[in-house]
Amino acid sequence: DGGITQSPKYLFRKEGQNVTLSCEQNLNHDAMYWYRQDPGQGLRLIYYSQIVNDFQKGDIAEGYSVSREKKESFPLTVTSAQKNPTAFYLCASSGTGAADTQYFGPGTRLTVL
Amino acid sequence: EDQVTQSPEALRLQEGESSSLNCSYTVSGLRGLFWYRQDPGKGPEFLFTLYSAGEEKEKERLKATLTKKESFLHITAPKPEDSATYLCAVFTGANSKLTFGKGITLSVRP
Repeated sequence: DGGITQSPKYLFRKEGQNVTLSCEQNLNHDAMYWYRQDPGQGLRLIYYSQIVNDFQKGDIAEGYSVSREKKESFPLTVTSAQKNPTAFYLCASSGTGAADTQYFGPGTRLTVL
Repeated sequence: EDQVTQSPEALRLQEGESSSLNCSYTVSGLRGLFWYRQDPGKGPEFLFTLYSAGEEKEKERLKATLTKKESFLHITAPKPEDSATYLCAVFTGANSKLTFGKGITLSVRP
């Protein structure tokens, strides 16, 4: 089955620690995205990548970092510089045509203790 | 700046009671409007893409329509399993991003 997987489903972090969220897709999509979802707010774009070894900042990139070494993988690191990291993190992928549909993974819920 | 407003924030329906969810937008150069369904604790599930005013798409009890200022998601004779949060998003081509509304939480009582 083609799809997007995210791991872990739940993640707990102590203040001051960096953590890395995994995102893998087997849809053969060139573009991948990371969004953050908070209660009562719309999804907000953190980073996106349209091709391997290239990525751009979204609206709320401060305190986050990414890499895109393989087409299938787009891990997100939440660094200790992110002041309010507790949230639901969603990874998505799409083709790179005009207005291609973005398909989402199941999400990772990060809680800072 | 692109803006998407969804209303109402929450909607409670009786099973079989048809209604509509609204998504109004202010963007420069709409290239696509997307509807997603999201269940609690899960990722959004794609429903529809609309590209131009006048376009309509249907899937089971759902029908999405688009004008130059807004989109409606019509739900005909809803069932309890239609209970979810419905998200609307617009794509203009700027920064390859989707701009999302806050969502509408639909609850359908048996």
